[in-house]
Amino acid sequence: DIQMTQSPSSLSASVGDRVTITCRASQDIRNWLAWYQQKPEKAPRSLVSGASTLQSGVPSRFSGSGSGTHFTLTISSLQPEDFATYYCQQYHRYPPTFGGGTRVEI
Amino acid sequence: HITLNESGPTMVKPTQTLTLTCTFSGFSLSTRGRGVGWIRQPPGKALEWLALIYWNDDKRYNPSLHSRLTITKDTSKDQVVLTMTNMDPVDTATYFCAHPYTEEFYYFDYWGQGTLVTVSS
Repeated sequence: DIQMTQSPSSLSASVGDRVTITCRASQDIRNWLAWYQQKPEKAPRSLVSGASTLQSGVPSRFSGSGSGTHFTLTISSLQPEDFATYYCQQYHRYPPTFGGGTRVEI
Repeated sequence: HITLNESGPTMVKPTQTLTLTCTFSGFSLSTRGRGVGWIRQPPGKALEWLALIYWNDDKRYNPSLHSRLTITKDTSKDQVVLTMTNMDPVDTATYFCAHPYTEEFYYFDYWGQGTLVTVSS
């Protein structure tokens, strides 16, 4: 299985901050990476696919980058509604695997 | 507009078999490329993919759980059923069904709200 490692596991930030979350794959996954946002007691929401393509309706303050084994999700100016847990997922090889999550809190 | 909804028991006993149903709308599993997957999340922990079934009855399972999982579809009812045998307390989790974007790009663009299943005697 391809292992996905996220860092940090949690971070504290303020409204307006620039936040960057990292996801590393244990092998080359090209750009077959998705990012999700999950709020407490809610289902995950798809934010990014193909490492950098924003899903419809996702604010432009979110951006994804990377390829191969190193990926980042950046929030350019953190908003109150962005406090959540973020997960990466590879879909290059079965089984699809998720990172351990990054909790963004105040 | 795609929607998915999970249903099933909220509690099962150890060694029992769990049966969950995903009822969906906005697409058909008779359409080329479409699929439905299951993902679970233990309380406070990360997401874990379980299984996927596609329009052509192609089935994929998490190798670590393959022996315990069965996924089936009922195209006429727009439902997908997941069974998991020999349940254990460590299987306590919220179980989500979700729609993979395509067969080739199996990230999940639509999710159900999830159903919490507790395994306890």
